[in-house]
Amino acid sequence: EDQVTQSPEALRLQEGESSSLNCSYTVSGLRGLFWYRQDPGKGPEFLFTLYSAGEEKEKERLKATLTKKESFLHITAPKPEDSATYLCAVGDYKLSFGAGTTVTVRA
Amino acid sequence: EPEVTQTPSHQVTQMGQEVILRCVPISNHLYFYWYRQILGQKVEFLVSFYNNEISEKSEIFDDQFSVERPDGSNFTLKIRSTKLEDSAMYFCASSDVPGETQYFGPGTRLLVL
Repeated sequence: EDQVTQSPEALRLQEGESSSLNCSYTVSGLRGLFWYRQDPGKGPEFLFTLYSAGEEKEKERLKATLTKKESFLHITAPKPEDSATYLCAVGDYKLSFGAGTTVTVRA
Repeated sequence: EPEVTQTPSHQVTQMGQEVILRCVPISNHLYFYWYRQILGQKVEFLVSFYNNEISEKSEIFDDQFSVERPDGSNFTLKIRSTKLEDSAMYFCASSDVPGETQYFGPGTRLLVL
């Protein structure tokens, strides 16, 4: 069964303070790795899909990278509106999610 | 931009009652999914559905649960006899093909009393 572990559980950042979130996974064969953002009481909002080691995707202040064992979500110069829980998931018919990293960005 | 919609946004029911949660997937998507998230816990897979058949289901998806595509636009999750532990956020998702991005709806918050 696919396993996804995210760290840290929580991250408090000052506005402008860049940082990285980690997602490590154990799968029988990677079909896709997905990053989502979830605001309280809302559904997961799609950010990135990565399929192969070495792949990178970027959107505004966020950049996702993938190796054979883990993925990183880099947040560059975050703003308060980047505060959310960031979820990592792997799979195809069935996504297995990590517990998420809750990011709080203070102005 | 196309999006997945879900109704109702909130549902309160008594234990033992039947509930039907409704979803309208993105119009050109062919694969549909239900997930749930108990408060403070991970998002958990329930079931995937394609071509009017269940593709895969989790251990959570027992005989109390069923899914249906009653027409060309709606996708429903039925819980026949709700239990207290069914209280959770239920998310519908859809995708073009398996392995491609799944897009999630805003969720239905179900509270079983």
